[in-house]
Amino acid sequence: AQKITQTQPGMFVQEKEAVTLDCTYDTSDPSYGLFWYKQPSSGEMIFLIYQGSYDQQNATEGRYSLNFQKARKSANLVISASQLGDSAMYFCAMREGLGNFNKFYFGSGTKLNVKP
Amino acid sequence: EAQVTQNPRYLITVTGKKLTVTCSQNMNHEYMSWYRQDPGLGLRQIYYSMNVEVTDKGDVPEGYKVSRKEKRNFPLILESPSPNQTSLYFCASSQMWDLAYEQYFGPGTRLTVT
Repeated sequence: AQKITQTQPGMFVQEKEAVTLDCTYDTSDPSYGLFWYKQPSSGEMIFLIYQGSYDQQNATEGRYSLNFQKARKSANLVISASQLGDSAMYFCAMREGLGNFNKFYFGSGTKLNVKP
Repeated sequence: EAQVTQNPRYLITVTGKKLTVTCSQNMNHEYMSWYRQDPGLGLRQIYYSMNVEVTDKGDVPEGYKVSRKEKRNFPLILESPSPNQTSLYFCASSQMWDLAYEQYFGPGTRLTVT
């Protein structure tokens, strides 16, 4: 089974609107971490936001927030007030704890295009 | 400046010619890892290392070797490259003892095997 699933290969959003990128994960570990990375066309990987499995509140970092629904095993990224510079590939990733502590898994990514 | 460096950034080679992609980090991270990125597949972990002389296979280790003789360096070795190893490769490093530490990525190495 896929550890990380991103079901939206591509998405469009109008500038200044909010957009949600979906991510579901699969793990039986009680301890895990969830990450979102941005990859612009230049190719580098940029860390955006982190959510721990025991965190009570949804993570936020500026215009990025993570909608964490533990029971549904989903960790959707919400970008508010989209900007043209948000056009990029976005990857959801998971780090498993306790036994597989050091394995990272990535989804296949969502390509976001922000329209002016 | 905290960073992960990779060399070379671009490489075109022929089938069977051994090559090494170097990776170095200056953050004293215990954990280092190699990924390959292919369209539609995201990033897949090739090998990772939790400390000097400690390495383990990721999800796609076939055709690759690694070594970790020093904490800062983690080279990726392709002993006999084949065209299906044409890909974009990333090295990454992280603190190991806390799930919250993200990975820092190198700039990537685009490899073409003809």
